[in-house]
Amino acid sequence: DFQMTQSPASLSASLEEIVTITCQASQNIGNWLAWYQQKPGKSPQLLIYGTTSLADGVPSRFSGSRSGTQYSLKINRLQVEDIGIYYCQQASSSPWTFGGGTKLELK
Amino acid sequence: EVQLAETGGGLVQPGNSLKLSCATSGFTFSTAWMSWIRQTPGKRLEWLAQIEDKSNNYFISYLESVKGRFTISRDDSKSSVYLQMNNLKEEDTAIYYCTRIIRDKGYYFDYWGQGVMVTVSS
Repeated sequence: DFQMTQSPASLSASLEEIVTITCQASQNIGNWLAWYQQKPGKSPQLLIYGTTSLADGVPSRFSGSRSGTQYSLKINRLQVEDIGIYYCQQASSSPWTFGGGTKLELK
Repeated sequence: EVQLAETGGGLVQPGNSLKLSCATSGFTFSTAWMSWIRQTPGKRLEWLAQIEDKSNNYFISYLESVKGRFTISRDDSKSSVYLQMNNLKEEDTAIYYCTRIIRDKGYYFDYWGQGVMVTVSS
C-alpha cells in the first residue's frame, strides 16, 4: 500500500498568516493527490484534487503544489474558518490511503 | 442539493454484526461510484470499500484487512448503499462515513455523509 506521511501533526498560526502543510508519498503517485478539510464536529470536505485543482466553492487562498513525491497545501492569509484538521489522500493506487492529518489551530 | 445520510450505527459486542445504510439524494445515484470510509478515535481516516456502477458491473473492492468480514452493496432503486459488518472487533470502533467518488485526475471523495458512530465493546 502507498503510505502518506503528513507534517506537521499540529500547527498553531495567527490570522492572516501563510500556512503550509506537507505530505510525503512513499511511492510515485504523479499528480493523483487530494486534500480534505475537516472542521470541528463536521465531516471531511474535499478541498483540492489532482494536486492543484480547487473543489467547487473553495476559496482561492487555498492552493496545492508538488515537488517530486512531496505535496504541499498552502493557505494564504489564514482565516478563522480555516481552523480544523487537514488530510492528504493518494488517488493513484487502491487502497486509497490518507495522511495522518494536520491539526491547525489559531495562535 | 446533494445529501448522504448514514444510519444503523450503535453499540455492539465483539463478534457480532451490524449493517449500515446510506440514503442519498440530489444526484444520479445509478451512475455514481460509492464508498465507505471510517475515522478512528485517533482521527485517522481509512478507506474500507467501494462499489462501482452498473456500467462497470458493480465492481467491488475492499481494504484487505476487512475483506471477508465487510460487504458493500447498493440498491439503485432506493439510491442507497450499504455496509454489512460481521465478526466485529474492538478496533472497528469508529465513525463510518458514506461517500461519493469522483473520477477526475484520480479517485476522490467529493461528498460525505454526516457519519454514524459504531462502538464495538463488551
